[in-house]
Amino acid sequence: NAGVTQTPKFQVLKTGQSMTLQCAQDMNHNSMYWYRQDPGMGLRLIYYSASEGTTDKGEVPNGYNVSRLNKREFSLRLESAAPSQTSVYFCASSEDRNSPLHFGNGTRLTVT
Amino acid sequence: AQSVTQLDSQVPVFEEAPVELRCNYSSSVSVYLFWYVQYPNQGLQLLLKYLSGSTLVKGINGFEAEFNKSQTSFHLRKPSVHISDTAEYFCAACSTGGGNKLTFGTGTQLKVEL
Repeated sequence: NAGVTQTPKFQVLKTGQSMTLQCAQDMNHNSMYWYRQDPGMGLRLIYYSASEGTTDKGEVPNGYNVSRLNKREFSLRLESAAPSQTSVYFCASSEDRNSPLHFGNGTRLTVT
Repeated sequence: AQSVTQLDSQVPVFEEAPVELRCNYSSSVSVYLFWYVQYPNQGLQLLLKYLSGSTLVKGINGFEAEFNKSQTSFHLRKPSVHISDTAEYFCAACSTGGGNKLTFGTGTQLKVEL
């Protein structure tokens, strides 16, 4: 049971480049989330999807877009990367609104 | 909306000593509370959660936390730490009607020394 799988693990982009971070879960969870983790700031919610077919903004959505492709997959896209988006990105899923989150191992993104 | 404050960014402790990691929250509504642990280069794992009922919650790896509504606290404790407990610990909260939109604290780095 793989849980939550994120790809890639590492990525370096130049300012202005675009990329998509992929996330898939095999636990049949309804809800999925994207967080970013920055030193001294904890984790901040970028976007979430309460169920297949729905997405909503979190605390820091600017500069990002998401797609809930199906129940398993939730991707995060940076259309024009900026150095401020250098961070570690975590995808998470949960069975329902009151269930604990299950996290992937993260994607470390550097924007130069 | 709620906020979560972890007062200590780093806590050094000797092996087999007790430890308490502090967490305070503020919210105008009822909340669920969680503690997560993050080992180096990994995602977060759930240690324990408080949803309702008994205010003393036991989690994995010998950790426990006590929900104190009057002090709006949810401190994490372990009576005797091990080297393997070295990690970063995050407290998190979400409103009971908030659809699992967790608000995280800034984290506490626990360093267990011999």
